Amino acid sequence: DAGVIQSPRHEVTEMGQEVTLRCKPISGHDYLFWYRQTMMRGLELLIYFNNNVPIDDSGMPEDRFSAKMPNASFSTLKIQPSEPRDSAVYFCASSLAGEQYFGPGTRLTVT
Amino acid sequence: KQEVTQIPAALSVPEGENLVLNCSFTDSAIYNLQWFRQDPGKGLTSLLLIQSSQREQTSGRLNASLDKSSGRSTLYIAASQPGDSATYLCAVPTPKAAGNKLTFGGGTRVLVKP
Repeated sequence: DAGVIQSPRHEVTEMGQEVTLRCKPISGHDYLFWYRQTMMRGLELLIYFNNNVPIDDSGMPEDRFSAKMPNASFSTLKIQPSEPRDSAVYFCASSLAGEQYFGPGTRLTVT
Repeated sequence: KQEVTQIPAALSVPEGENLVLNCSFTDSAIYNLQWFRQDPGKGLTSLLLIQSSQREQTSGRLNASLDKSSGRSTLYIAASQPGDSATYLCAVPTPKAAGNKLTFGGGTRVLVKP
């Protein structure tokens, strides 16, 4: 398996623009997680899905953030409108039976 | 609310020394504990998953111990090499749950000098 795949790897956008991050989990995994990592706050869980259903989105910072998982092999995290404070590395992870596997991350810069 | 702490935040050792990384958590009702490695600008790589019923887990030069009652885990890396330089994070799932919602420690940044 290729592992968790994320795209794009880098995204630079201007404040106010819409940003969509994409994730393909490991085939057969039933949990999918979106995290954000910054120097100030470390790793934060934003939202996670079980069998494509959102279970806990309490970590989503604002209504500007939304996530979907239309099928078992694809998820998106959308920020609309983006702000400079959203600049961070966003990770997607998937798991089966507890052990989480992370993707390489998307480095988002909002200017 | 679960809190995970890793001390020290940074560690520098000469090549060949053994590394000891500490992780503590406030709620001992965990299902498992996972250790990760993160290289600069990269994602997290899972190193070891230790179940709550286990006291330790080994993989090559890595050994992780778990003491649930005291809320501690220790990652030992034997005979350190420059390639072991990275940030090491521990994480525990939401108490009494499995496979979801990890809480991470702040990490220990390790530098192994040749």
